[in-house]
Amino acid sequence: DQQVKQNSPSLSVQEGRISILNCDYTNSMFDYFLWYKKYPAEGPTFLISISSIKDKNEDGRFTVFLNKSAKHLSLHIVPSQPGDSAVYFCAASGAGGTSYGKLTFGQGTILTVHP
Amino acid sequence: NAGVTQTPKFQVLKTGQSMTLQCAQDMNHEYMSWYRQDPGMGLRLIHYSVGAGITDQGEVPNGYNVSRSTTEDFPLRLLSAAPSQTSVYFCASSYSASGRGEQYFGPGTRLTVT
Repeated sequence: DQQVKQNSPSLSVQEGRISILNCDYTNSMFDYFLWYKKYPAEGPTFLISISSIKDKNEDGRFTVFLNKSAKHLSLHIVPSQPGDSAVYFCAASGAGGTSYGKLTFGQGTILTVHP
Repeated sequence: NAGVTQTPKFQVLKTGQSMTLQCAQDMNHEYMSWYRQDPGMGLRLIHYSVGAGITDQGEVPNGYNVSRSTTEDFPLRLLSAAPSQTSVYFCASSYSASGRGEQYFGPGTRLTVT
């Protein structure tokens, strides 16, 4: 049972345009969401996060939007740069109890930004 | 400050062999965890620890053991390797004892079991 889903295995965009990566979740106990970026042969690196009390969080070129009613979040990268080409993972965490500290990851989306 | 280090980078085992994947962090983080990454499945949590002497199971713990005798080290032991354990293994740590803050990942260990 995949509780966090990234339904697009890959995305290709032109340099300078917007990249939009999507993520859906099914567990209503998730209240904290993160995006990680991963280059080949490296570990994932943290990009941006959002708490369920917010619907938007921005950090430079990266913005994450959360729609709790739809159980959907998205990552916007504007403008996209060739160095953004990587695999992007969405992850979710629940509050306390047995969810304490555990991250559930989506399958990942491969972003390719063409010069 | 090396961050999170993992050894070895690559390993080939025969079915039934045992081994330990090493993980160390020098950031004085309380929370550490192990994930495996398989094609099309993202990262799945194997075991985690909220501090020295405290460990717990994640989503896919079977076939793996962990211990946390110090804050810095969190080794992952494969007791009897199986081909299904062929994967890339990542260790991570977080400053937050709840693990809800940003997690820092090591470079990974690519394990093949034949």
